[in-house]
Amino acid sequence: QVQLVQSGSELKKPGASVKVSCKASGYTFTSYAMNWVRQAPGQGLEWMGWINTNTGNPTYAQGFTGRFVFSLDTSVSTAYLQISSLKAEDTAVYYCARDVLLWFGELSLDWFDPWGQGTLVTVSS
Amino acid sequence: DIQMTQSPSSLSASVGDRVTITCRASQSISSYLNWYQQKPGKAPKLLIYAASSLQSGVPSRFSGSGSGTDFTLTISSLQPEDFATYYCQQSYSTPVTFGPGTKVDIK
Repeated sequence: QVQLVQSGSELKKPGASVKVSCKASGYTFTSYAMNWVRQAPGQGLEWMGWINTNTGNPTYAQGFTGRFVFSLDTSVSTAYLQISSLKAEDTAVYYCARDVLLWFGELSLDWFDPWGQGTLVTVSS
Repeated sequence: DIQMTQSPSSLSASVGDRVTITCRASQSISSYLNWYQQKPGKAPKLLIYAASSLQSGVPSRFSGSGSGTDFTLTISSLQPEDFATYYCQQSYSTPVTFGPGTKVDIK
């Protein structure tokens, strides 16, 4: 079945870096874009951006430029999120989510399905 | 950016109740509206895509409607497993934005 499996929880000190992985299975990895979504403790969902799994070209939402990097290793069907110079406010659960796009008449509509199980990144001294 | 609002922010309901959640976009988004369910400690799960299409495997008590700026998610008969937070999401334009969520809990 289609599945995204993320790496485990991380505890990091301020200023450190972290790399979260998202391994896809059950479908052709390069046929679907991958999104990243952040959820701070007790808060809602915030879209961070997406990466084109064909070209490797990333697009970052405002607020996620500079310290955040999306990358791929298509040989192992895995997407990565790296965050550098970690701050306490980066403490959150980070999700990867496959982007599904279909045509409905003249409209190309898309949604996120499935999602990875989430990776909790805690930044604390 | 397109702002998404949801109402109510929370509601208490009983098993068997009909529940309606509203989502409004700050500008027209046609049918570029999706609904997700999230249970505590779990990842969001797709329920409805393209405003009214039921995702495979999702019970038929869930339905979605609307177009343009106003959308609704309806649960026809609330079940114990439906107590969760529900989010709408627009994919009309980037950045993709989510509503703030509606928490459904037990009365």
